[in-house]
Amino acid sequence: QVTLRESGPALVKPTQTLTLTCTFSGFSLSTSGMCVSWVRQPPGKALEWLAFIDWENDEYYSPSLRSRLSISRDASENKVVLTMTNMDPVDTGTYYCARTVSSGGSCLDDPLNLWGRGTMVTVSS
Amino acid sequence: SSELTQPPSVSVSPGQTATITCSGDKLGDTNVCWYQQKPGQSPALVIYRDIERPSGIPARFSGSHSGNTATLTIRGTQAMDEADYYCQAWDSSSYVFGSGTKVTVL
Repeated sequence: QVTLRESGPALVKPTQTLTLTCTFSGFSLSTSGMCVSWVRQPPGKALEWLAFIDWENDEYYSPSLRSRLSISRDASENKVVLTMTNMDPVDTGTYYCARTVSSGGSCLDDPLNLWGRGTMVTVSS
Repeated sequence: SSELTQPPSVSVSPGQTATITCSGDKLGDTNVCWYQQKPGQSPALVIYRDIERPSGIPARFSGSHSGNTATLTIRGTQAMDEADYYCQAWDSSSYVFGSGTKVTVL
């Protein structure tokens, strides 16, 4: 059974750095075609894709947030970590990790076919 | 990056057809997928590669794509289909989500 679970602080202060962990099971990120993304959703608003990392350890970022984001993986422990610097109240929302299984050579043509339950992050002093 | 525009809301009577559009200037260059998000839940994939349904998604959900517009159709809409729906495509090396549509089953 494939599962993903997000974890991290529920509250961060403005200007701090947020670190979130996605712990997954049922698949290996070292397997060809596997990718893990991070997506966020402010309360009552739309989904926003943030970043993904693929089986070759290539990283892709949202152009608008690239300067603040870093994604990495610990393949041996089935974890993907996202860090976001200089947090602001507008970054408040639910953060999800999700898996893509690529049918070709890149996850940039395949959907997010399984999502974690998300973790709520509030940015406030 | 490109933007994907959806109507904010769609209302439908039980048993009728709900149609949700997704438009974007670069949508003709990519395939589209659709996610359903019920209140308090994570998104779930309902359509991928414009027209494909993942295993377990009812046949009343269908997708189409022509040029810069993609469409999600729910035929014989049921109360359980009441949710937010998001289209998603790709732009260069990024995933892009639509603005979302709230489907209300009256």
